[in-house]
Amino acid sequence: DVKVTQSSRYLVKRTGEKVFLECVQDMDHENMFWYRQDPGLGLRLIYFSYDVKMKEKGDIPEGYSVSREKKERFSLILESASTNQTSMYLCASSLFTGGSPLHFGNGTRLTVT
Amino acid sequence: GQQLNQSPQSMFIQEGEDVSMNCTSSSIFNTWLWYKQDPGEGPVLLIALYKAGELTSNGRLTAQFGITRKDSFLNISASIPSDVGIYFCAGIKNKLVFGAGTILRVKS
Repeated sequence: DVKVTQSSRYLVKRTGEKVFLECVQDMDHENMFWYRQDPGLGLRLIYFSYDVKMKEKGDIPEGYSVSREKKERFSLILESASTNQTSMYLCASSLFTGGSPLHFGNGTRLTVT
Repeated sequence: GQQLNQSPQSMFIQEGEDVSMNCTSSSIFNTWLWYKQDPGEGPVLLIALYKAGELTSNGRLTAQFGITRKDSFLNISASIPSDVGIYFCAGIKNKLVFGAGTILRVKS
């Protein structure tokens, strides 16, 4: 079974803090993704990566950056957290591009106060 | 852009009943996926469909890839309380697009 592990289930941070959300997958998947999920807005893609050191903007990249230094690890960075970034963040990975299902982690619920 | 219309938005059904939900789009997809998300957890893949007309089962769940490649449905037979959650469809062609989800609540 694919295992996607997000380092924290719950995080509480202050406005202006730099926040790192970490994600690791154990199945040698090429692609990794970061989504945020908000009530009424569904799943929205923030960033994704098709390869090490490669990143692509998703639908809502503003206020976020990412890092993929190793194939198994994909980090989401909030440079200066704001209250409107309070959300559920979901990491996912997929084997290849163009039809391979995404496998999700358990999510990190981030609260910015 | 590509969009998926998932319906119903929510359902409140009696334990033991069969459930049906679907996703439609004006765009063609090459792959259809169905996920379930329990409260406070990440979505879990239930069924993946790769060919038009494909009908696939996973226990009490059955999903079909529509012949036109623009729709898919998911059926749950004999629902039980643990079926509660949010069900998402997703279509893939060049990129993956999610439906807004169907919230399933079961009366015991």
